[in-house]
Amino acid sequence: NAGVMQNPRHLVRRRGQEARLRCSPMKGHSHVYWYRQLPEEGLKFMVYLQKENIIDESGMPKERFSAEFPKEGPSILRIQQVVRGDSAAYFCASSLGTGDFTEAFFGQGTRLTVV
Amino acid sequence: QKEVEQNSGPLSVPEGAIASLNCTYSDRVSQSFFWYRQYSGKSPELIMSIYSNGDKEDGRFTAQLNKASQYVSLLIRDSQPSDSATYLCAVNPRSFLIFGTGTRLQVFP
Repeated sequence: NAGVMQNPRHLVRRRGQEARLRCSPMKGHSHVYWYRQLPEEGLKFMVYLQKENIIDESGMPKERFSAEFPKEGPSILRIQQVVRGDSAAYFCASSLGTGDFTEAFFGQGTRLTVV
Repeated sequence: QKEVEQNSGPLSVPEGAIASLNCTYSDRVSQSFFWYRQYSGKSPELIMSIYSNGDKEDGRFTAQLNKASQYVSLLIRDSQPSDSATYLCAVNPRSFLIFGTGTRLQVFP
């Protein structure tokens, strides 16, 4: 019973390139959340998606960042024209549903380094 | 005011002692509360969830919730060096979890 799968685990990009981070939720989970964690800081919410829908993107930077969760395939977090400040760990979590009593489980994360 | 506040620590306790980790939250509509453990360089791991006022025990872990005081705590009994990690408190006032910055726990032999 695979958990939340993220790939790649490590990603190095030069400034100005694009970064694509993938997340496959746990089996049976249809809710996906992306978080960013800077060194020595907490987890910051970015976006919440269900299949083919963005439910809440209040934590997503307005420019260069986008996310999708297509009907088939993993959820993708896309960062265009990366800058050094985008270097962080990006975690994906999934849950069965939403609401008050839903537990969310995290993937191993993608560590993005912008050089 | 931050939505979820935790003392960053480090909290140092000797092996075998009780470690007490605290968290306060600002949004009264929150109904569910979670504790995650995160080892350095790893992903957060869910260790406890609590939804009702009072205590909830699971092995060496006890979560305590007081909604009137907007306070959640985690007690770790018989602390082990392997418990050394950052403990993240999370609340769910909307459709996603909001995390505190975490408390770093150090258990020394």
